[in-house]
Amino acid sequence: EAGVAQSPRYKIIEKRQSVAFWCNPISGHATLYWYQQILGQGPKLLIQFQNNGVVDDSQLPKDRFSAERLKGVDSTLKIQPAKLEDSAVYLCASTSQGGIGNTIYFGEGSWLTVV
Amino acid sequence: KQEVTQIPAALSVPEGENLVLNCSFTDSAIYNLQWFRQDPGKGLTSLLLIQSSQREQTSGRLNASLDKSSGRSTLYIAASQPGDSATYLCAVFDSGGGADGLTFGKGTHLIIQP
Repeated sequence: EAGVAQSPRYKIIEKRQSVAFWCNPISGHATLYWYQQILGQGPKLLIQFQNNGVVDDSQLPKDRFSAERLKGVDSTLKIQPAKLEDSAVYLCASTSQGGIGNTIYFGEGSWLTVV
Repeated sequence: KQEVTQIPAALSVPEGENLVLNCSFTDSAIYNLQWFRQDPGKGLTSLLLIQSSQREQTSGRLNASLDKSSGRSTLYIAASQPGDSATYLCAVFDSGGGADGLTFGKGTHLIIQP
């Protein structure tokens, strides 16, 4: 079974530039999450999708971050304009039904450095 | 708001030792608790999932316990090996704030010396 796929793996951009990350969850998984992990910290939930609808985006900095999940499969996370403090690993995760009682599977992450 | 704390933040032990990693959480109304492993430059790999109704789960040399009422979990690693070196993250699954997501601790960075 293929895992959660993310791209690009690594990205270096200058502040005020934009960047987009792509995620392809495990086939059949209805729930998709984006997490932000700053160095030395645990991951922090940014947004949760159930199929193509947003369940919660309360921790997403909406002035610069946006995310979509068209057709309920792949998802993209965009940052525009980037700030230095956005340097982090962006982890995509998926699970079959909302996560309750189910293992959540993570991708290998997209590593962002803002200079 | 749920908060997860992991102790110690870092641990270095000789190969072969048995060791315990600790996790505590502030809100006991959780659905489950997961322990993850994170290798440098990699994503998270789920090690063990304990449902709120369970007391422990075992996988190979790993044993995780859950005391939901006291808000504590431990991960026991038996006969540690250099390949166990990684960061171990504890996360609780609850439905606070409308999202059904995981709240993570900061992790325990483990080094097993050959």
